[in-house]
Amino acid sequence: GDSVTQMEGPVTLSEEAFLTINCTYTATGYPSLFWYVQYPGEGLQLLLKATKADDKGSNKGFEATYRKETTSFHLEKGSVQVSDSAVYFCALKEYKLSFGAGTTVTVRA
Amino acid sequence: GAGVSQSPSNKVTEKGKDVELRCDPISGHTALYWYRQRLGQGLEFLIYFQGNSAPDKSGLPSDRFSAERTGESVSTLTIQRTQQEDSAVYLCASSLSGLAGDPYEQYFGPGTRLTVT
Repeated sequence: GDSVTQMEGPVTLSEEAFLTINCTYTATGYPSLFWYVQYPGEGLQLLLKATKADDKGSNKGFEATYRKETTSFHLEKGSVQVSDSAVYFCALKEYKLSFGAGTTVTVRA
Repeated sequence: GAGVSQSPSNKVTEKGKDVELRCDPISGHTALYWYRQRLGQGLEFLIYFQGNSAPDKSGLPSDRFSAERTGESVSTLTIQRTQQEDSAVYLCASSLSGLAGDPYEQYFGPGTRLTVT
């Protein structure tokens, strides 16, 4: 079945550092790919998405490119802030979402 | 407009009791999903509704779990004879369409935190 493998955390880094969270997927079809974020004490919200190969999703300085050849959707941000501290989930969607285990990111001032 | 709402936000129950969790999706969203998030873990799919029917119940962990949806709107997730391992945050999401391959995102509610003592 469809599945997502996500880089394990936790990840701790300093403000203005570069962040990468790796995500690879297995799917029989051509799913849409998503990154969701869960800030402390808040609900799950969509960060960005890509619906087909080579699409790049971007939001709040984060980017991820749908790479069909490597079945990957890595999340990147060039300069993180303390406010980016959260749990990040990679997910793929055929009709239901299949989530990765989540990566906890802590950014220190 | 209003987002997905869930009630109660918190529920503490004794082992063996039944609980009902409610989800009000975004108006006009035909697809509705239930997920479970255990502490420190990712989200597990439970059940998916397209309209009032449930084409995929494969994630329900046991026959103690059931869900229904009426009027292509509100859904209730019922857990009978609760066990301690049922403790988790139960999340509901809705989407414009639940068809395979469509690009629509799922919008999540705030969740119900269930604690079974």
